[in-house]
Amino acid sequence: EADIYQTPRYLVIGTGKKITLECSQTMGHDKMYWYQQDPGMELHLIHYSYGVNSTEKGDLSSESTVSRIRTEHFPLTLESARPSHTSQYLCASRWGESTEAFFGQGTRLTVV
Amino acid sequence: AQSVTQLGSHVSVSEGALVLLRCNYSSSVPPYLFWYVQYPNQGLQLLLKYTSAATLVKGINGFEAEFKKSETSFHLTKPSAHMSDAAEYFCAVSVRSGNTGKLIFGQGTTLQVKP
Repeated sequence: EADIYQTPRYLVIGTGKKITLECSQTMGHDKMYWYQQDPGMELHLIHYSYGVNSTEKGDLSSESTVSRIRTEHFPLTLESARPSHTSQYLCASRWGESTEAFFGQGTRLTVV
Repeated sequence: AQSVTQLGSHVSVSEGALVLLRCNYSSSVPPYLFWYVQYPNQGLQLLLKYTSAATLVKGINGFEAEFKKSETSFHLTKPSAHMSDAAEYFCAVSVRSGNTGKLIFGQGTTLQVKP
């Protein structure tokens, strides 16, 4: 059983609000990821981290930011939410490059 | 730049028929490769992975995949489809570059299984 948690599971928020999506893992994994996925569609990598204080942007341009101050925690922040940010956000983690990634249950964000 | 392509966004087979889901990658160095399955309203689950050992990899639920370097492919197969196999399937590539662990996914293939 993978121990990676995302909160909240569902979030409805107004345009212009600042939000932070939380992701935590208890497995000591060095790699962590954020993906954006619309229902039934592909996963777009928006941010990833390969260790504390080491983050990279993914292939999909995103207005969000991330931080990795602690190994187990990888929050994603939107400074000003817009309806175009409505989507599902998936967090994942793994150890090294050859192992499988474990996924959280996702946060379904709706911006109205 | 490294990439992964899944040919066919939708595949429909009859129950009991062969399942073939295609995945091709682009990388200067053979990457680590994965297949994941996603059932409706659920998270992603690993089916199998290739990490430079045997080129034919067996996974869960009767699935297997073969790594072919010459074709830069990692197609997923199952000899006989079951109704419960209906789901979204994703091929993923772990880029082998400086231990950054970049992990990218293909566009996904929806598998429909008809009775």
